[in-house]
Amino acid sequence: GAVVSQHPSRVICKSGTSVKIECRSLDFQATTMFWYRQFPKKSLMLMATSNEGSKATYEQGVEKDKFLINHASLTLSTLTVTSAHPEDSSFYICSAPQGFSTDTQYFGPGTRLTVL
Amino acid sequence: AQSVTQLGSHVSVSEGALVLLRCNYSSSVPPYLFWYVQYPNQGLQLLLKYTSAATLVKGINGFEAEFKKSETSFHLTKPSAHMSDAAEYFCAVGGGNNRKLIWGLGTSLAVNP
Repeated sequence: GAVVSQHPSRVICKSGTSVKIECRSLDFQATTMFWYRQFPKKSLMLMATSNEGSKATYEQGVEKDKFLINHASLTLSTLTVTSAHPEDSSFYICSAPQGFSTDTQYFGPGTRLTVL
Repeated sequence: AQSVTQLGSHVSVSEGALVLLRCNYSSSVPPYLFWYVQYPNQGLQLLLKYTSAATLVKGINGFEAEFKKSETSFHLTKPSAHMSDAAEYFCAVGGGNNRKLIWGLGTSLAVNP
């Protein structure tokens, strides 16, 4: 199956700093990637769709200036949480669809962000 | 429009018992249906998917699901639960032209010895 990696797996930062999370498709090209946020015991909340070569598409209620997304290449998307605050602490997961006709999404292992 | 409902946020079974996790969907286009499993502090792993071929889909770890259009259901089953099956299970529907998946709220499966 397709492999998606995420880095870092865990990050602790001080309030007010920015944190960058990388999502890579290791064995396939991904013109689209998705960024999710997951709260404890809760389902996935889609934050945005990352598009290679164009601007990301954000879901309603997600601050685009807060969560900066850059799809730098066909295998890399980054999510930067700017001026992080404790309420941004969460589990962030990326995914990339492979198989154009079936939209099967392959997920990274997730990044646990803790803002102190 | 598409939506997914997972009936039962928590399911508990005994080891060796049948696992049945329920998923109903609605979709205005022919759906693709997915079951994913998530272990603690990990990403999601694809269990199986329905993509308009066979209605009975077999996945990894002994799981299978049957697509029933008349019932708009895609329930996940496993004949005999193992302790290692304890995890969070998510049902999702796709098939729209934006490549997004619409997710259910998840079902937490506990397996008792």
